[in-house]
Amino acid sequence: DIQMTQSPSSLSASVGDRVTITCRASQSISSYLNWYQQKPGKAPKLLIYAASSLLSGVPSRFSGSGSGTDFTLTISSLQPEDFATYYCQQSYSTPQTFGQGTKLEIK
Amino acid sequence: EVQLVQSGAEVKKPGESVKMSCKGSGYSFTSYWIGWVRQMPGKGLEWMGIIYPGDSDTRYSPSFQGQVTISADKSISTAYLQWSSLKASDTAMYYCARQGGFGESWYGMDVWGQGTTVTVSS
Repeated sequence: DIQMTQSPSSLSASVGDRVTITCRASQSISSYLNWYQQKPGKAPKLLIYAASSLLSGVPSRFSGSGSGTDFTLTISSLQPEDFATYYCQQSYSTPQTFGQGTKLEIK
Repeated sequence: EVQLVQSGAEVKKPGESVKMSCKGSGYSFTSYWIGWVRQMPGKGLEWMGIIYPGDSDTRYSPSFQGQVTISADKSISTAYLQWSSLKASDTAMYYCARQGGFGESWYGMDVWGQGTTVTVSS
């Protein structure tokens, strides 16, 4: 199985901050990397697919980059509604796997 | 509107069976994969498996192979996740999600159901 390792596991930041979350795959997954946001009690929401493609309707302050084994999710200017848990997922091969999550909290 | 609607919460005893459903609407159900994801209380997301309703091609995570069965009835645009003998450790929220595929790789899970909670307790 391909292991996905996210860092950090948790992060405290303020409204307006620029935040970066990283995700590393245990082997190359090309660009088959997706990012999700999950708020408490809600289903996850897809933000970015194929490493850098923003899903329609997702604010442009979210961006993704990377290929191969190293990927990043960047939020350019944190908004109050962005405080949530973020997960990366590789969809290159089965079993698809998620990172352990990054909980983004208000400082 | 494209949506997936999951069946309601289940409360079961160890050893009982359960079959939950995920009904798609607003899109061609047979043209996308449906994946299942487990989230245990307070924990992260775990990919369980995926089915292509068009031809019932199914893939399982080794962690769930033999523990659950994924199926679909394309005539009613519904996918299923079932257990024949539940354990307390199956207590979790279960989500279905739509996913486009390309060869042996997939795109992101772009539409999610609201989730079905399963509670297994004696």
